Amino acid sequence: EAGVAQSPRYKIIEKRQSVAFWCNPISGHATLYWYQQILGQGPKLLIQFQNNGVVDDSQLPKDRFSAERLKGVDSTLKIQPAKLEDSAVYLCASSRLAGAGTGELFFGEGSRLTVL
Amino acid sequence: GQQLNQSPQSMFIQEGEDVSMNCTSSSIFNTWLWYKQDPGEGPVLLIALYKAGELTSNGRLTAQFGTTRKDSFLNISASIPSDVGIYFCAGLSRSGNTGKLIFGQGTTLQVKP
Repeated sequence: EAGVAQSPRYKIIEKRQSVAFWCNPISGHATLYWYQQILGQGPKLLIQFQNNGVVDDSQLPKDRFSAERLKGVDSTLKIQPAKLEDSAVYLCASSRLAGAGTGELFFGEGSRLTVL
Repeated sequence: GQQLNQSPQSMFIQEGEDVSMNCTSSSIFNTWLWYKQDPGEGPVLLIALYKAGELTSNGRLTAQFGTTRKDSFLNISASIPSDVGIYFCAGLSRSGNTGKLIFGQGTTLQVKP
């Protein structure tokens, strides 16, 4: 079974520029998550999709971050304009179940963003 | 908001030693999980605990779900160099028909051969 795929692995941009990250979850997984992991911290949930609907985006900075899940499969996370404090690893994860789930998430390798 | 506090923040041990780490919260969770993250990789699930007081093992790893449902413990016995990494506890918070997974800040483990 193929794992969660993310791209790009690394991205360096200047502040105020825009960037987009792509995620392809494990086939058949109902729930998709985007987490932000700042160096030295644990992952922080940005947005959670169940199929192609948003179930939690309470910690997504909506003035600059947006995300969509196309046809309940792939997802993109966009930042526009980027700030210095957005430098982090953006982790995509998926889980098999919809609803409350079991907490068993499968993570991709992450996309490391550096904002200069 | 809900927060998980892990301790210690970091550990540097000799190969063969046992390791203990814990995670506490002011909130109750129905499920506790432990993940490990290697450098440049995403976290990988090690152990999941679904009932207060539950003690679960996975090879050299043993984890317990605290009876108050506000804490969890992870023990690693006879550590080896490949145990190096960051260990995260996570609590699953359920709200209606959705669940939200919250992570601690991590315990970094270094093992000296």
